[in-house]
Amino acid sequence: DTEVTQTPKHLVMGMTNKKSLKCEQHMGHRAMYWYKQKAKKPPELMFVYSYEKLSINESVPSRFSPECPNSSLLNLHLHALQPEDSALYLCASSLRFAFNTEAFFGQGTRLTVV
Amino acid sequence: AQTVTQSQPEMSVQEAETVTLSCTYDTSESDYYLFWYKQPPSRQMILVIRQEAYKQQNATENRFSVNFQKAAKSFSLKISDSQLGDAAMYFCAYRSPMQAGTALIFGKGTTLSVSS
Repeated sequence: DTEVTQTPKHLVMGMTNKKSLKCEQHMGHRAMYWYKQKAKKPPELMFVYSYEKLSINESVPSRFSPECPNSSLLNLHLHALQPEDSALYLCASSLRFAFNTEAFFGQGTRLTVV
Repeated sequence: AQTVTQSQPEMSVQEAETVTLSCTYDTSESDYYLFWYKQPPSRQMILVIRQEAYKQQNATENRFSVNFQKAAKSFSLKISDSQLGDAAMYFCAYRSPMQAGTALIFGKGTTLSVSS
């Protein structure tokens, strides 16, 4: 199993809503990542979890709240988002948070904020 | 800080022909990994090929090969016998042994179109 599964695939939410994105992997990976990607642009790193602990937070606004409840699961909680937050949100995982490990990506959640 | 530059925003190729996508990077580190990722319209980022800086031999994966020039800090991707399914956005990425850059540094991408 070399899959990173993200749900939902599409999400439309209002600016006052609270929603969550979910990412799951069963490859035994201990590093998990959230990226934000705008159309025709490269992914931008948001958060890194290593062994279920937050290792990197790239100065992401507090309306994005990550959570890693166990080694297989990564959530991104969304609250009071702005229209400019509309983007593709990609989750990735790697065996560990190390440069010589390959990152596997999920298919992403296409988020639209209205 | 490390940077990755892809100077070709768009490229096109005919089926069965060969195309080369260019990537240069800037770093002061001696060991690192370089990657090419493919992102088709289905959105999933798929690893195409990887290269460790300490390995002089260029990596190959079937129709995909790289020309890694460490001194020139160049890492180009050659796609041979192009197929319609190769149409996608291709990202060159750098992975540093230092924590701040370990989570992949991407270039801006090259959109490849393939015509029959």
